[in-house]
Amino acid sequence: EPEVTQTPSHQVTQMGQEVILRCVPISNHLYFYWYRQILGQKVEFLVSFYNNEISEKSEIFDDQFSVERPDGSNFTLKIRSTKLEDSAMYFCASRDPTGQSYEQYFGPGTRLTVT
Amino acid sequence: EDKVVQSPLSLVVHEGDTVTLNCSYEVTNFRSLLWYKQEKKAPTFLFMLTSSGIEKKSGRLSSILDKKELSSILNITATQTGDSAIYLCAVDSGGGADGLTFGKGTHLIIQP
Repeated sequence: EPEVTQTPSHQVTQMGQEVILRCVPISNHLYFYWYRQILGQKVEFLVSFYNNEISEKSEIFDDQFSVERPDGSNFTLKIRSTKLEDSAMYFCASRDPTGQSYEQYFGPGTRLTVT
Repeated sequence: EDKVVQSPLSLVVHEGDTVTLNCSYEVTNFRSLLWYKQEKKAPTFLFMLTSSGIEKKSGRLSSILDKKELSSILNITATQTGDSAIYLCAVDSGGGADGLTFGKGTHLIIQP
């Protein structure tokens, strides 16, 4: 069964450093998403991406964040200058809008630890 | 601001018991409500509900939506230890690219 994959599974970085989190969505899906989950808190929407541009972003997704689909398969989230409060699990998700189901399929997540 | 509230936040039951998890929502433009199961990492999809009163069923799990009450329940019958997880309720409240609004989840623990 096709699945969303994410790399790395765990990333440790120092405050102020740039990180890039990578995702490979399900191949025929057209909508892509990033969410984050701070430990013990709820899953929060960051950004959605469709047709090679951002469709919607939340208040969390400020200027230090950016997303890109550099090729036909990868979908990346870049955090330019990490802060301690960026430590969280980051989930990528994708969705196929062409069928009857509109559910989003989530990847296994990248745990980002900022020290 | 869209809001999803789940209750209870945690629940401990014995194997074989039946549980009911609750989700209520306040959103500006409801499209669907989704239930996910989160064990160690990624939320895995359980159900998507769009119409009121129509039960969705998968094995021992079932769910129903009440649009009048702006709520949904997730039932698990004959619980097993493998059902232990965090159950997330999320609402899709907009166009195709909108993100989901999640509740805090119900942490379900099934004791043998």
